[in-house]
Amino acid sequence: EIVLTQSPGTLSLSPGERATLSCRASQSVSSNYLAWYQQKPGQAPRLLIYGASNRATGIPDRFSGSGSGTDFTLTISRLEPEDFAVYYCQQYGTFTFGPGTKVDIK
Amino acid sequence: EVQLVQSGAEVKKPGESLKISCKGSGYSFTNYWIGWVRQMPGKGLEWMGIIYPGDSDTRYSPSFQGQVTISVDKSISTAYLQWSSLKASDTAMYYCVTFPGGSPFDPWGQGTLVTVSS
Repeated sequence: EIVLTQSPGTLSLSPGERATLSCRASQSVSSNYLAWYQQKPGQAPRLLIYGASNRATGIPDRFSGSGSGTDFTLTISRLEPEDFAVYYCQQYGTFTFGPGTKVDIK
Repeated sequence: EVQLVQSGAEVKKPGESLKISCKGSGYSFTNYWIGWVRQMPGKGLEWMGIIYPGDSDTRYSPSFQGQVTISVDKSISTAYLQWSSLKASDTAMYYCVTFPGGSPFDPWGQGTLVTVSS
């Protein structure tokens, strides 16, 4: 079973700053089946990125994904107030999720 | 528009049974997988299992095998998650999701909050 580790656990930043979130897999993620989701309090998660680097429909271009193999990154180029949330990575070959990174306001 | 609408919140006692539902619309229900995801209070996301409505092929996460049952009634485009004997530790938000094979979970239902308390 592939285990995903996300770092940091919490990222404290100000609006306008750049956020860099990491997701590391215990084994290589086949076909780059790596997705990122955003979850705001009281809401269902929302797909942001799939295939490691493809933005889902309607996702602003300040969100970008990169990486391959075992190391993946979600970057938010300039944080908007609505971006403060929890972010999860998932390898959707066998569906496991990472533990999440909370991006909160500094 | 692809949409998943889940049944409402439930409050149950330990030992009781429960079946919650997820109705799909706006797409070919039988050709997309349906999955269930648990989120315990203040915790992360855990995938529980998936079902393919076309032939009821069902796969469970090892963590949930034998603990829950996933089923589907394709005549009404609805998937189900059921428990035969609830425990306090089943208290959580449960989300249904849909996806074609080899794709991420998108979209998600609005969630069903299950509270198990004596």
